[in-house]
Amino acid sequence: NAGVTQTPKFQVLKTGQSMTLQCAQDMNHEYMSWYRQDPGMGLRLIHYSVGAGITDQGEVPNGYNVSRSTTEDFPLRLLSAAPSQTSVYFCASRTDPGHHFAGELFFGEGSRLTVL
Amino acid sequence: AQSVTQLDSQVPVFEEAPVELRCNYSSSVSVYLFWYVQYPNQGLQLLLKYLSGSTLVKGINGFEAEFNKSQTSFHLRKPSVHISDTAEYFCAVSSGGSQGNLIFGKGTKLSVKP
Repeated sequence: NAGVTQTPKFQVLKTGQSMTLQCAQDMNHEYMSWYRQDPGMGLRLIHYSVGAGITDQGEVPNGYNVSRSTTEDFPLRLLSAAPSQTSVYFCASRTDPGHHFAGELFFGEGSRLTVL
Repeated sequence: AQSVTQLDSQVPVFEEAPVELRCNYSSSVSVYLFWYVQYPNQGLQLLLKYLSGSTLVKGINGFEAEFNKSQTSFHLRKPSVHISDTAEYFCAVSSGGSQGNLIFGKGTKLSVKP
């Protein structure tokens, strides 16, 4: 009963380093997304995907790349980390019964990233 | 553009007291409305949602919310809270367009005291 799995749970980077946050779901959901959560800011959408090979930008995409080669996986890449990217990152997936885009979002447990 | 305003960043209450967490949204089109809860060091999970129909929506753990179109509000209520309800609560809105991407409010931290 895994649901949405994120790795790593914690990571410390130096400015300029690159890394990939992994996200996998076993629910066969077409829609997947990445959010960042900052104190007092709520959750802001970084990128999302509606299926393998299809990705699009959300509200705060700068500094992040994504790809979707399979239905299960949706990695988030930081190309050159900056202190402003210190945050908690959440991956979420959704099924859309009837294609009304109103299904429940299932969240991973988060990845806490610190950039020094 | 859509937006969500949660009017209180923190709400302290005593155990067994009623609570209301306020949420207002702005949108020029029909919306779907959601409340999610986040317990410490966990991801978010769905409490309840309004898609259409009855304006009073019941969710898990005894929570309910009322959709008020004229006041563009979707306030969350519980008649008697427990210590275990201590968490952060997020209101979210979607128009169904843009692939149904959710716009979240900034969250309300509910602290239930014994």
